[in-house]
Amino acid sequence: EAQVTQNPRYLITVTGKKLTVTCSQNMNHEYMSWYRQDPGLGLRQIYYSMNVEVTDKGDVPEGYKVSRKEKRNFPLILESPSPNQTSLYFCASSLRGQLWFGPGTRLTVT
Amino acid sequence: SQQGEEDPQALSIQEGENATMNCSYKTSINNLQWYRQNSGRGLVHLILIRSNEREKHSGRLRVTLDTSKKSSSLLITASRAADTASYFCATEELRGSTLGRLYFGRGTQLTVWP
Repeated sequence: EAQVTQNPRYLITVTGKKLTVTCSQNMNHEYMSWYRQDPGLGLRQIYYSMNVEVTDKGDVPEGYKVSRKEKRNFPLILESPSPNQTSLYFCASSLRGQLWFGPGTRLTVT
Repeated sequence: SQQGEEDPQALSIQEGENATMNCSYKTSINNLQWYRQNSGRGLVHLILIRSNEREKHSGRLRVTLDTSKKSSSLLITASRAADTASYFCATEELRGSTLGRLYFGRGTQLTVWP
């Protein structure tokens, strides 16, 4: 089944404790992206990747890192999470401009 | 910002009625897309309309695009309770450096009552 998977789905952590949210797609898409969704603000892009080893900042990249060593994986790294990074995070991959979204990761930073 | 803006923010209708949602944007686009999100879940692509198209249909969905007014509308005919969700428009800018990036609006929350 064609899909984008994310792990974990739910995470509660403390300020400053490094974490990684994994994202994987099985559709051989070149383009992958991370979004965060906050009430009243809609979806905002964090980082995107046009292909392996090619990443670029989106609209809200501060406090996040990404890597794209393989085509199928695009992990999101929070080196030192802060409470303002509490949000619902979505990974997505794209074919011909249409995005396929993962199920989301709800992150709470206390 | 290219972010689209949906209108209304919330819409409440009875089953069987039609639901119309609008999206306005600011700059030239390559295409405009509509997505649906059930509460807390991932977004699902509904339909894509290119800048040289004016209208597109998919099942009970009808999308129009007016590039002169920089606006689009999504019509859901004969709505069902299962259509209850948030609907987002997303625009892909007509700029090579941002090809593939989509800018999302804040969404319209549609509630369909049985």
